Amino acid sequence: DAKTTQPNSMESNEEEPVHLPCNHSTISGTDYIHWYRQLPSQGPEYVIHGLTSNVNNRMASLAIAEDRKSSTLILHRATLRDAAVYYCILRPYGSGSRLTFGEGTQLTVNP
Amino acid sequence: GAGVSQSPRYKVAKRGQDVALRCDPISGHVSLFWYQQALGQGPEFLTYFQNEAQLDKSGLPSDRFFAERPEGSVSTLKIQRTQQEDSAVYLCASSTRRQGASSGANVLTFGAGSRLTVL
Repeated sequence: DAKTTQPNSMESNEEEPVHLPCNHSTISGTDYIHWYRQLPSQGPEYVIHGLTSNVNNRMASLAIAEDRKSSTLILHRATLRDAAVYYCILRPYGSGSRLTFGEGTQLTVNP
Repeated sequence: GAGVSQSPRYKVAKRGQDVALRCDPISGHVSLFWYQQALGQGPEFLTYFQNEAQLDKSGLPSDRFFAERPEGSVSTLKIQRTQQEDSAVYLCASSTRRQGASSGANVLTFGAGSRLTVL
């Protein structure tokens, strides 16, 4: 599976935007970019995914570089409830393809 | 139900005991995954079912680990003769199954997990 690289930790202040980076230089043409997050004592939760174009949903935005070798998850106004580990994952072609989690980025949101 | 349900939420076992962990996926979800998450680590893949067929069990760490999904809905992960290194959170996830080029877009819904502590 293609590998992703994320910072171990990031900090943000409440109500400010957060940009969480992810590098995936070995991404293949059929790999989707997925973001999940895991709040304390919960299972991972889907945030957003994309293939080539930028994506927006009610939770976040996903900005994908033109060469697809990096992406950025954008939380427009961080809240204390956004404090979690954020995982950037490449999901290859294949209906049974697993999600391969890395270490993720621990986001701390300061009040 | 509305989400993926796992039981028990917490299990304490003595070393050598057998345990069974249950997963109720979202109704109609064809695909079901089991993951193991050690403290401070990301989840690690264990096994994958498509309906009742176990199509990938490459992540099961030993032959003490066994998973089944006999009727294509509820799944059970069984660990025989538990060891201390089996202590972890066991996560179940389910998804619909898109085929073809868009299959990489499949989204997984996870349960809250079963935390196993082996003494």
